[in-house]
Amino acid sequence: EVQLVESGGGLIQPGGSLRLSCTASGFTVSNSYMSWVRQAPGKGLEWVSVLYSGGSTSYADSVKGRFTISRDNSKNTLYLQMISLTAEDTAVYYCARWRFIDDYFDSWGQGTLVTVSS
Amino acid sequence: QTVVTQEPSFSVSPGGTVTLTCGLSSGSVSTDYYPSWYQQTPGQAPRTLIYSTNTRSSGVPDRFFGSILGNKAALTITGAQADDESDYYCVLYMGNGISVFGPGTKVTVL
Repeated sequence: EVQLVESGGGLIQPGGSLRLSCTASGFTVSNSYMSWVRQAPGKGLEWVSVLYSGGSTSYADSVKGRFTISRDNSKNTLYLQMISLTAEDTAVYYCARWRFIDDYFDSWGQGTLVTVSS
Repeated sequence: QTVVTQEPSFSVSPGGTVTLTCGLSSGSVSTDYYPSWYQQTPGQAPRTLIYSTNTRSSGVPDRFFGSILGNKAALTITGAQADDESDYYCVLYMGNGISVFGPGTKVTVL
């Protein structure tokens, strides 16, 4: 069974940094395309980033230069390193597996909340 | 800047049919965008309903039907049930790894 479990969220001051983790089971992260999607309180879903199995990455313009997606193959874990955080980054962050053949998100984690506030 | 459009809200009677659409601020949606649809209830993670325009994800009842209607992708819910009351998001794949979510449609069943 495919499972994705996010962690690492919390309260962080503006300008701070945080690293989110997404531990996968039931499949191999390194063989998959993996994404982060976020949802600000009361708002819609927003695609953040994708990491291809080959190592290439893409980012939404809103996070480009501040967020870095990566993985640790030995831990079967996806990461999102976030720096220079602002209040606009406050959101639930979901990890999702992207199925590249049909270009869609086929599995989702339960999300982790990041709150940027002083 | 590509903007994906969706209706803000819809109301449907129990047992009724509703069609949600997913468009582009400029241009037409085709199967080349691999439209997919996701259902989300408050406090829950999204659930994948439809991918590649009209393929139902595993376990999704055939009351949910995806299609292209005119220049938009569409999600039709037939025989609406109380637990269909959710937010529905479409996603269009823009290429180069970039996916764009629509703003979501809130469906009320009453």
